[in-house]
Amino acid sequence: NSKVIQTPRYLVKGQGQKAKMRCIPEKGHPVVFWYQQNKNNEFKFLINFQNQEVLQQIDMTEKRFSAECPSNSPCSLEIQSSEAGDSALYLCASSLSMGNQDTQYFGPGTRLLVL
Amino acid sequence: QQQVRQSPQSLTVWEGGTTVLTCSYEDSTFNYFPWYQQFPGEGPALLISILSVSDKKEDGRFTTFFNKREKKLSLHIIDSQPGDSATYFCAASAGGNYKPTFGKGTSLVVHP
Repeated sequence: NSKVIQTPRYLVKGQGQKAKMRCIPEKGHPVVFWYQQNKNNEFKFLINFQNQEVLQQIDMTEKRFSAECPSNSPCSLEIQSSEAGDSALYLCASSLSMGNQDTQYFGPGTRLLVL
Repeated sequence: QQQVRQSPQSLTVWEGGTTVLTCSYEDSTFNYFPWYQQFPGEGPALLISILSVSDKKEDGRFTTFFNKREKKLSLHIIDSQPGDSATYFCAASAGGNYKPTFGKGTSLVVHP
């Protein structure tokens, strides 16, 4: 069973508000991924880290989304100015290494609703 | 452009029956194909995975088949149980590209 912890489980924000969610990866996992899963079950990769360094991120992430994985603190994903279209389940996953064949362990997600 | 197509979108089977889910992909560089199981209110969990050098992998009641020539894979669940009711996602990734591409999922209901 995955031991990735995500908080909060539910988040309700108004349009234009900041939304911040946190993730504690499995112990010993240096690689962290953030995904957005929309109501149609589509997964969208947002960003990944190895330790504190960003490996890959998409353009959307570079504009309104910010993320970090500081040493000895939870990773976080923040939406600077929430939009209705950001309503989704935000999933954090961690893995042992960067290899594409390494298992990603997912947390339960933070469900964001932007009113 | 949807790189991983999954079908059916939803499926209902009776307890004890065999479930078959399929996926197809376009990118010939994909070499690793995991299947994830997601229950409501939870994140996806790895169920079984296969590398492109294999054509079959079995784990208990779950078997995944891979056809490189046709760029297709499938997940077979024998003796389906009500506890298997979940959404199943196939995914694909290529070496050197850490992020997988997911299908849209199949919602499976197993009736007792």
